[in-house]
Amino acid sequence: EIVLTQTPATLSLSPGERATLSCRASQTVNGDLVWYQQKPGQAPRLLISGTSDRATGIPARFSGGGSGTDFTLTITSLEREDFAVYYCQQRSNWPLTFGGGTKVEMK
Amino acid sequence: EVQLVESGGNLIQPGGSLRLSCAASGFAFGYNAMSWVRQAPGKGLEWVAIMTSNGQSRYYADSVRGRFIISRDNSESTLYLQMNSLRADDTAVYYCAKLGGNYLHWNFDYWGQGALVTVSS
Repeated sequence: EIVLTQTPATLSLSPGERATLSCRASQTVNGDLVWYQQKPGQAPRLLISGTSDRATGIPARFSGGGSGTDFTLTITSLEREDFAVYYCQQRSNWPLTFGGGTKVEMK
Repeated sequence: EVQLVESGGNLIQPGGSLRLSCAASGFAFGYNAMSWVRQAPGKGLEWVAIMTSNGQSRYYADSVRGRFIISRDNSESTLYLQMNSLRADDTAVYYCAKLGGNYLHWNFDYWGQGALVTVSS
């Protein structure tokens, strides 16, 4: 099973700042890395699939990158609605696995 | 617009059974693999079960294999999760999710609002 480690666990930033979230896999995932956003009391929402492909309706301030075992989600300028928990997921190997999440909180 | 609406969540005693339903609309249900994903209180996400579009293949997390059964009725655009021998660590919000991506290389592209299952005496 591929283990995904997300760092940091919590990121404290202000609106307008840049957020960089990391997801590291225990073995290569061949670019099959996905990101989700979850706001309190809501279901997760797909943000990015295949490392860097934004889902329908996702603003351009969200971008994904990386390769092999190291991936990042970048939010170029945080809006108030972006403060949430972010999860990565790999779909390269069975079973599908999720990372433990990074909480982006307002400083 | 894709909509997934779960129902059936409840408080249930350990060892009991419960069936969740997920009513789908806004997409071609019969042509899409579907899944259940759960989230224990204050915890992360764990996929539970997946069923292919024609129902021929089912996949389960080790934690639920042999106790949970995923099924679907394509004529009614409804997904089900039969949960048996429930344990306290099955307590979670259970999300129905539509799968995207390629066979076995799936991501969860649309999610329902979730159904709370609490296992407690």
